[in-house]
Amino acid sequence: ETGVTQSPTHLIKTRGQQVTLRCSSQSGHNTVSWYQQALGQGPQFIFQYYREEENGRGNFPPRFSGLQFPNYSSELNVNALELDDSALYLCASSLELSGNEQFFGPGTRLTVL
Amino acid sequence: KQEVTQIPAALSVPEGENLVLNCSFTDSAIYNLQWFRQDPGKGLTSLLLIQSSQREQTSGRLNASLDKSSGRSTLYIAASQPGDSATYLCAVMISGGSNYKLTFGKGTLLTVNP
Repeated sequence: ETGVTQSPTHLIKTRGQQVTLRCSSQSGHNTVSWYQQALGQGPQFIFQYYREEENGRGNFPPRFSGLQFPNYSSELNVNALELDDSALYLCASSLELSGNEQFFGPGTRLTVL
Repeated sequence: KQEVTQIPAALSVPEGENLVLNCSFTDSAIYNLQWFRQDPGKGLTSLLLIQSSQREQTSGRLNASLDKSSGRSTLYIAASQPGDSATYLCAVMISGGSNYKLTFGKGTLLTVNP
């Protein structure tokens, strides 16, 4: 059984650019959640995808968007990057839309210069 | 709005000491509570998950308790080792309408000195 994977591991962008981060969910999991962890903070919920539909989002602007594909993998897109977007982006997958445990990937470290 | 607080923010202990990390949350309507470990610059490693109907979970030298009514959890680490040095995060799962999300504390930075 393959766990949650994320790519790339690290990324450096400049202000105003756009970035796409990718996540492959654990086998059989159809729900993917994205979190942003700024330095010294706990992760913050960005949004959740279930069966290819966005199913709730946290306090993040519309320039944070996502997709989920038929194989349940997911992308996080961030437009018009700002310096404060520099963070560790974590993806978590879970089974069905319920209070089941979320399993985390290793994260993508994004640096915005 | 659910808020999670972890005390202390940082803790330094000598090797071999038993220690307790504390976590409190403001809304008792949770599905589960989870403790994670995070090494510098790395992702999250799940340590223990306690369902809302449970009172505690144990794994090796780790024991986590949950008192949902008072909004508190503790993580007990027995016979600490330098390899336990990391940031420990507490998170509660709540329902935000149709979605299920984790709300995290800011973590406790643990240093175990040889």
